[in-house]
Amino acid sequence: DGGITQSPKYLFRKEGQNVTLSCEQNLNHDAMYWYRQDPGQGLRLIYYSQIVNDFQKGDIAEGYSVSREKKESFPLTVTSAQKNPTAFYLCASSIGWGGETQYFGPGTRLLVL
Amino acid sequence: GENVEQHPSTLSVQEGDSAVIKCTYSDSASNYFPWYKQELGKRPQLIIDIRSNVGEKKDQRIAVTLNKTAKHFSLHITETQPEDSAVYFCAVGESWGKLQFGAGTQVVVTP
Repeated sequence: DGGITQSPKYLFRKEGQNVTLSCEQNLNHDAMYWYRQDPGQGLRLIYYSQIVNDFQKGDIAEGYSVSREKKESFPLTVTSAQKNPTAFYLCASSIGWGGETQYFGPGTRLLVL
Repeated sequence: GENVEQHPSTLSVQEGDSAVIKCTYSDSASNYFPWYKQELGKRPQLIIDIRSNVGEKKDQRIAVTLNKTAKHFSLHITETQPEDSAVYFCAVGESWGKLQFGAGTQVVVTP
């Protein structure tokens, strides 16, 4: 999991603002994922990408958008439509799709001003 | 879709005792069962995993057992130490699908 990086570590969002969280991996993994974690809660899947130039909605995609233009990068945009964005955001990757070990990045904590 | 239940939600143990966390799942086609450990403010880290063709796997003080018939699997930590204090998540994966995570178990090891 040392090959997955996320930035920034902390991010502050103002009302009505879109913000983008970065996720990069150098593990040559095909699949990448974004999860949201609220305090004391489990992991909820926002979006996932099985392969470059393809992505699918997860369980809580509303108010979020992603792109997968490069194999190593999977940025997440939290739009102004997401009314309760305060959470810990975790990016993960796996070598392939389906029943594969996921390795997590260090996370980004998003706070609303 | 897959439904994963994890119990207990909190577990307090004395140092040196054993801890057991159990997860149940609904889809008999699921074939991959990892366990993650997450320390406060950190990323989840894989500690052990098992596939459906194996009934038990052990790595030092940590073991996972799988009962496919009953659709449940368990994490066993022996000789617990204060550094075992963390949140533990189970997950269930299908060969054609994503991982579904349990809600987590907060383990507290008291000296």
